[in-house]
Amino acid sequence: GEDVEQSLFLSVREGDSSVINCTYTDSSSTYLYWYKQEPGAGLQLLTYIFSNMDMKQDQRLTVLLNKKDKHLSLRIADTQTGDSAIYFCAEKEYGQNFVFGPGTRLSVLP
Amino acid sequence: EAGVAQSPRYKIIEKRQSVAFWCNPISGHATLYWYQQILGQGPKLLIQFQNNGVVDDSQLPKDRFSAERLKGVDSTLKIQPAKLEDSAVYLCASSLDDTGLAHNEQFFGPGTRLTVL
Repeated sequence: GEDVEQSLFLSVREGDSSVINCTYTDSSSTYLYWYKQEPGAGLQLLTYIFSNMDMKQDQRLTVLLNKKDKHLSLRIADTQTGDSAIYFCAEKEYGQNFVFGPGTRLSVLP
Repeated sequence: EAGVAQSPRYKIIEKRQSVAFWCNPISGHATLYWYQQILGQGPKLLIQFQNNGVVDDSQLPKDRFSAERLKGVDSTLKIQPAKLEDSAVYLCASSLDDTGLAHNEQFFGPGTRLTVL
């Protein structure tokens, strides 16, 4: 079955880069997503990447996809205190539902 | 544009009691989803509606959970009777349409946090 794994915690200093990693098992995943969840709020889509791409950049966010290793990463440049949240990786195969990882709690230290 | 609305935001009940959650999706969104998010885990899909029809309820514990979307707009999710392990955040999401296209952005509501004592 499908499975998405993430490390549960990450701490970085303000201004540094954060790298959040994710591994998935379904090689037929069509899209891979990163969502952000702030306390008491629902999930907010940050970015997504199509499986035939290796990299996608959007302002401070860079997504890297290694299809061979089934590894996805999210890099946040110049991390700010407002980036503190839980970040979810999710995969979606064509015609199937989303499968979410357990989330990585990012703490940004001043 | 108003987002996905959910109520109540918090609910505390005792085991074996019943509870209902309400969701109002973004106007014009045909697809509506209910997710269960247990503390420390990612959301797990319970049920997906396309207008007022059920597309997928394979992970819905049908002996105690039920959901409806009678007019294809608002939806309610009910648990009867509740168990301790039902303590979680129940998230509602909606999207324009999900005809099987892979990329279909879901917009999430703030969730209802249920505590079963």
